[in-house]
Amino acid sequence: AQSVAQPEDQVNVAEGNPLTVKCTYSVSGNPYLFWYVQYPNRGLQFLLKYITGDNLVKGSYGFEAEFNKSQTSFHLKKPSALVSDSALYFCAVRDPNSGNTPLVFGKGTRLSVIA
Amino acid sequence: DGGITQSPKYLFRKEGQNVTLSCEQNLNHDAMYWYRQDPGQGLRLIYYSQIVNDFQKGDIAEGYSVSREKKESFPLTVTSAQKNPTAFYLCASSIGWNTGELFFGEGSRLTVL
Repeated sequence: AQSVAQPEDQVNVAEGNPLTVKCTYSVSGNPYLFWYVQYPNRGLQFLLKYITGDNLVKGSYGFEAEFNKSQTSFHLKKPSALVSDSALYFCAVRDPNSGNTPLVFGKGTRLSVIA
Repeated sequence: DGGITQSPKYLFRKEGQNVTLSCEQNLNHDAMYWYRQDPGQGLRLIYYSQIVNDFQKGDIAEGYSVSREKKESFPLTVTSAQKNPTAFYLCASSIGWNTGELFFGEGSRLTVL
């Protein structure tokens, strides 16, 4: 079975400081990993994904994430946070060896960037 | 512009009534999905469809029904059998099943009075 955990419900960071939103996963093989962002009363927007290759993945709006197989993590990072980054962030995983199982989402982490 | 359109954005219904949420995509995607979002619970999969005229139950299919008669359309019916239907419903599609990311609509908020 595949699962993903986001251990923090809320992350607060000052504008201009680096931010990290944590994600850990559990799959039987090599995972496909995704990050999405959701603004209030809107749908989710794709930020980035890891399928294979370089462990450091760069995505939209200056975000990046690092795939760490030994720690089964895929933390989302940004060097300098903006107030406009305040939103709900979701990590998702898919086990390509699980047949036709769709993406499984974490419960989300609310990021608040304070000016 | 290509995208996914959900309607209505807000919907109020009386308890015991069936409601149908519309989801249309013009991205030519094969796969479509319905998720339910509740505060603190993330996204939970209701139904998904990999191809026209085929769909599978997700984790919380009870009290819901879907159809996939056309590639671009995947309507969700919330039936009176759904115990707690008040929620934010999200439709999504993907170009492929394996590695493709999901594209989401703007959501439909259903409130049952």
